[in-house]
Amino acid sequence: DTEVTQTPKHLVMGMTNKKSLKCEQHMGHRAMYWYKQKAKKPPELMFVYSYEKLSINESVPSRFSPECPNSSLLNLHLHALQPEDSALYLCASSREGNRGRIRDEKLFFGSGTQLSVL
Amino acid sequence: EDKVVQSPLSLVVHEGDTVTLNCSYEVTNFRSLLWYKQEKKAPTFLFMLTSSGIEKKSGRLSSILDKKELFSILNITATQTGDSAIYLCAVANTGTASKLTFGTGTRLQVTL
Repeated sequence: DTEVTQTPKHLVMGMTNKKSLKCEQHMGHRAMYWYKQKAKKPPELMFVYSYEKLSINESVPSRFSPECPNSSLLNLHLHALQPEDSALYLCASSREGNRGRIRDEKLFFGSGTQLSVL
Repeated sequence: EDKVVQSPLSLVVHEGDTVTLNCSYEVTNFRSLLWYKQEKKAPTFLFMLTSSGIEKKSGRLSSILDKKELFSILNITATQTGDSAIYLCAVANTGTASKLTFGTGTRLQVTL
């Protein structure tokens, strides 16, 4: 199974809503990522988790809150978003070993959640 | 700050043509360069290049890296309509986590 599964595929929310994006992989990967991709732009890194610990936060606003409950799951909690946060949110995973000292930069991406904030 | 520039930004070719996509980069402590194909949503992995001058090949696609001149090319021969997609180039540095910096992509359209 070489798949990264993201739910929901589409999400429309108001600026006062609270919602969560979910990501799951069963490849045994210990690094998981959230990327944001605006239309006609490249993916931009938001967060990296390594062995269920947050290792990179690319100065993302606190209205985005990541969570890694276990090695297979990654969530992104959304609260009080702005219309400019509308984008495709991509989850990815990669192998890591030796508690993060062995890295594999080959990322496997999910199909994303297309988010619209009204 | 790491930087990746791809050219052309978009390209329209006829089925059967050969295309060459370019990627140049500036990165501190280069580790690898990767090519991805993004058709609708999920970028799918094509190649990872770490050494200069060694061609990676998969069917009609091939890629090569020049670490001296800091660029890579992706070749697609005998293009098919199914090759229509955005092709993303990304670089990784030797930092403490697997962090990719992506280029803006080349949008390829293959017409009949």
